[in-house]
Amino acid sequence: GAVVSQHPSRVICKSGTSVKIECRSLDFQATTMFWYRQFPKQSLMLMATSNEGSKATYEQGVEKDKFLINHASLTLSTLTVTSAHPEDSSFYICSTRIREGNTEAFFGQGTRLTVV
Amino acid sequence: AQSVTQPDIHITVSEGASLELRCNYSYGATPYLFWYVQSPGQGLQLLLKYFSGDTLVQGIKGFEAEFKRSQSSFNLRKPSVHWSDAAEYFCAVGANSGNTPLVFGKGTRLSVIA
Repeated sequence: GAVVSQHPSRVICKSGTSVKIECRSLDFQATTMFWYRQFPKQSLMLMATSNEGSKATYEQGVEKDKFLINHASLTLSTLTVTSAHPEDSSFYICSTRIREGNTEAFFGQGTRLTVV
Repeated sequence: AQSVTQPDIHITVSEGASLELRCNYSYGATPYLFWYVQSPGQGLQLLLKYFSGDTLVQGIKGFEAEFKRSQSSFNLRKPSVHWSDAAEYFCAVGANSGNTPLVFGKGTRLSVIA
């Protein structure tokens, strides 16, 4: 199946700093990338949908100025958590679906962000 | 609106016992249904999927699921659970379109005891 590589797997940062999470599709072109957030022992909540070459669409309640998403190429999407605070600590997962044919979703390995 | 309900938050079974995890969905069109498994601190791994055809689908690790349109259900089953099956299980529904996300249930945590 398709491979989605997410990096880093874990990151600890200080309050007020920014953290960038990368998600790469290794063997196909990811026109659309979905970014999810998962709190401990909870389900995945969709944060935003990014399409290559255009602005991301954010879900209600997600601050677009805090969670900057860039999808500049068909193989790379990034999520930057700006001015991070402890309440931003969470597990972030990227996902994509192949547009044609098989429409299952493929997930990155996830990034555990801890803001101290 | 699309939604997925997993009524069981936590299930404990004995190793070797059978397992059934429940999933009900609400979807306006033909649903595409998935079961994913997540180990702690890890991403999601696809167990199985249903797009069309035979309503009983086989997946990896000995899992199967049955799509029942009349009950809007897609329950996951395994005849004999192994200790390594302990994890979080998510049911998801989506459209047949690569530019729409999946909608996930809240998950069921499976514990396996000796």
